[in-house]
Amino acid sequence: QVHLTESGGGVVQPGRSLRLSCTASGFTLSDHAMHWVRQAPGKGLEWVAVISSDGGKDYLADSVKGRFTISRDNSKSTLYLQMDSLRPEDTALYFCARDAGGYSGLDYFDHWGQGALVTVSS
Amino acid sequence: DIQMTQSPSSLSASLGDTVTITCRASQSISDYLNWYQQKPGKAPKLLIYVVSNLQSGVPSRFSGSGSGTDFTLTISSLQPEDFATYYCQQSDSAPYSFGQGTRLEIK
Repeated sequence: QVHLTESGGGVVQPGRSLRLSCTASGFTLSDHAMHWVRQAPGKGLEWVAVISSDGGKDYLADSVKGRFTISRDNSKSTLYLQMDSLRPEDTALYFCARDAGGYSGLDYFDHWGQGALVTVSS
Repeated sequence: DIQMTQSPSSLSASLGDTVTITCRASQSISDYLNWYQQKPGKAPKLLIYVVSNLQSGVPSRFSGSGSGTDFTLTISSLQPEDFATYYCQQSDSAPYSFGQGTRLEIK
């Protein structure tokens, strides 16, 4: 049974950093590209970032490019999102999501975690 | 970047009704269109991928169609568990944008 569990959320001041983790179980993480998607309170879904199955390629949304970094440690079955220079508009529930494809990502999401809440406020 | 626009933003319907939600892409995305259902306080759930393919376990009352820039999600014979928010998402090219969502409410 596929399971994704995010951790690392919390309240942080503007300009500070936070790192989210997403621990995978029930499947081999190295077989899938992985994504982060966020949802501001009461708002819709916003795709944030993707990383290839081996970690060799990534792509980030313009809204976070230069501030956020996506990475993974397949040996630990864990996906990460390093968030630097946080802004109030980054306040959201951050979901990790499994790419439905294998080594070649299909770029849609067949399993999601329950999310980690990040609040950026002074 | 590709913009996804859903209509309507909200919709009221009764049990047993058939409803249609529309999603339009700002440029052609071929058939790289997917639909998700989200209930309050829960993670989104994949319903349909690549326009019309039902994800495993999704009831057959859900169907999708379209190509290019215009797509639809149809839900037949609405059940109580179908009242939720629905999102389309394009997987043609990064950034993999979502529509703004359609909230389906009970009339």
